[in-house]
Amino acid sequence: NAGVTQTPKFRVLKTGQSMTLLCAQDMNHEYMYWYRQDPGMGLRLIHYSVGEGTTAKGEVPDGYNVSRLKKQNFLLGLESAAPSQTSVYFCASSYAAGGSTDTQYFGPGTRLTVL
Amino acid sequence: GENVEQHPSTLSVQEGDSAVIKCTYSDSASNYFPWYKQELGKGPQLIIDIRSNVGEKKDQRIAVTLNKTAKHFSLHITETQPEDSAVYFCAASLGGNEKLTFGTGTRLTIIP
Repeated sequence: NAGVTQTPKFRVLKTGQSMTLLCAQDMNHEYMYWYRQDPGMGLRLIHYSVGEGTTAKGEVPDGYNVSRLKKQNFLLGLESAAPSQTSVYFCASSYAAGGSTDTQYFGPGTRLTVL
Repeated sequence: GENVEQHPSTLSVQEGDSAVIKCTYSDSASNYFPWYKQELGKGPQLIIDIRSNVGEKKDQRIAVTLNKTAKHFSLHITETQPEDSAVYFCAASLGGNEKLTFGTGTRLTIIP
């Protein structure tokens, strides 16, 4: 049981390039989330999903897109990266049938630098 | 929307002493308050949480207290150890699958 995994761990992009971050969970969780973490600002929600095939905007969605084609995977895309998107990105998941809907389990993070 | 403020931003404590981190929230409808610990280079990990129908919860050396009237909750760590050094985040939500709003974090350093 690996929990929540994220790939890649590190990435450097040039302004205007695109990339996709992959999050995978093996806990059969319904809900999945993408956060960004910046110094002094805590974790801010980018997008989230309450089930396979669903997505919704969080607090800071601009410049990002997501997809949840499979229950276990949640992809975060940057179509045209900007330096303001330099951050550490965390994926989280929560809620399996019979369990708590509240507790979120986080992945190890992806450190993204946009030059 | 919900706003969570966390203090202090940094805290240094002598090993063996107690540490207290405080958070306030703005939405009186919030009813779920978790605390996360983040070690260097890792993702946040839930250490304790409390719901609005409970005033205090304890798990070994850590405890959380909640004052719904004043809209604040606190994390208490007793008998601190070097492995307690980390960044701690509080959060609040309406419960269920509702979104978590995080505080800005407290960097706790335990001085040997």
